[in-house]
Amino acid sequence: SQTIHQWPATLVQPVGSPLSLECTVEGTSNPNLYWYRQAAGRGLQLLFYSVGIGQISSEVPQNLSASRPQDRQFILSSKKLLLSDSGFYLCAWSVSGLVGEKLFFGSGTQLSVL
Amino acid sequence: DQQVKQNSPSLSVQEGRISILNCDYTNSMFDYFLWYKKYPAEGPTFLISISSIKDKNEDGRFTVFLNKSAKHLSLHIVPSQPGDSAVYFCAAANSGNTPLVFGKGTRLSVIA
Repeated sequence: SQTIHQWPATLVQPVGSPLSLECTVEGTSNPNLYWYRQAAGRGLQLLFYSVGIGQISSEVPQNLSASRPQDRQFILSSKKLLLSDSGFYLCAWSVSGLVGEKLFFGSGTQLSVL
Repeated sequence: DQQVKQNSPSLSVQEGRISILNCDYTNSMFDYFLWYKKYPAEGPTFLISISSIKDKNEDGRFTVFLNKSAKHLSLHIVPSQPGDSAVYFCAAANSGNTPLVFGKGTRLSVIA
């Protein structure tokens, strides 16, 4: 069966510090991978998605970037965090091929930027 | 521009009664709709979905209704249980072409 791992579960970072969140998927090949953020009162906002290694689509211009160095690994990064980057970050995957299909989410990372 | 709208931030229902959560969308290209349930500090879990070729889909206590002409869908939970207390997200997509777009969520509280 497929599983998705996301870490860390919680993170407290000072403003201006770098960020790296990692997500890996097991049990499937060439999944579509996604980063969403849940900020207060904002629902689930799509940040990035990837349909293959090295292929990243950015949905919201911002202080963050994403990379997919391996087939089942998706990384969310920032060089300098802002207060507005605080939120609950969720990695998700869907079956290979077309986007717009059912998503399976990881357990999330609660990021607090102070 | 919010393409998926959940206009009720919260809803309280007594245990055993029906819970009705509503969702509206603006993009007429959306043809696949889903509901997710989320507990605090956890990732959302899939509940039920419906494609635009149907107007109803049922799974146990959960039923989703789709009204394409009104661009409206709803989730019915019957009977409601305390364990149903969570945030419910509506999502939509142009299947195969665009990632899921989510609403802001509705917090359901089922009172014993």
